[in-house]
Amino acid sequence: AQRVTQPEKLLSVFKGAPVELKCNYSYSGSPELFWYVQYSRQRLQLLLRHISRESIKGFTADLNKGETSFHLKKPFAQEEDSAMYYCALSGGGNTGKLIFGQGTTLQVKP
Amino acid sequence: DVKVTQSSRYLVKRTGEKVFLECVQDMDHENMFWYRQDPGLGLRLIYFSYDVKMKEKGDIPEGYSVSREKKERFSLILESASTNQTSMYLCASSFPPSGTHEQFFGPGTRLTVL
Repeated sequence: AQRVTQPEKLLSVFKGAPVELKCNYSYSGSPELFWYVQYSRQRLQLLLRHISRESIKGFTADLNKGETSFHLKKPFAQEEDSAMYYCALSGGGNTGKLIFGQGTTLQVKP
Repeated sequence: DVKVTQSSRYLVKRTGEKVFLECVQDMDHENMFWYRQDPGLGLRLIYFSYDVKMKEKGDIPEGYSVSREKKERFSLILESASTNQTSMYLCASSFPPSGTHEQFFGPGTRLTVL
């Protein structure tokens, strides 16, 4: 079965500390993986996707097929990074369905 | 920029009422989705539609129905609202033929059922 697991409900770090939000997935084919972010009082928006291999707002995520992981990392957290983060998996096909993890709240303390 | 709009940001309804949540997208997207967002449970798919008049159940369709009469509009209907349907409802759209399954979200409707 296709599944996305984010083991941490809450991750609290101090400003300037490194951040790693964990995401593990279960999928037998070639996945398409995303990180979405929701800042306070804003809509859910795409942060990055693995096929782009880009860095957005200092965040990166590498797909590790061996460990079936897609962890989100940032070397130095900023207070404005405080938000809810969701990892999502596309199982392909034309329906465009995404499977979301439970979400992790990142709290960056001053 | 893709724009997905939802008819209300906040709604308060009474148990047993019929509730309509409307979603409109302006980018000619084929696919549209309705989710519930609850703390600790993430986003759960209620229904989705991949074409006009086409719909498929998601993971939690019980107590809900949908309507897609026009490509740009996707409605979520609570036939008889119950307190356990109090939640944040998110609408999204996507265009897989473009090569990506990225979804674009509306601002959400926070529904409270009393």
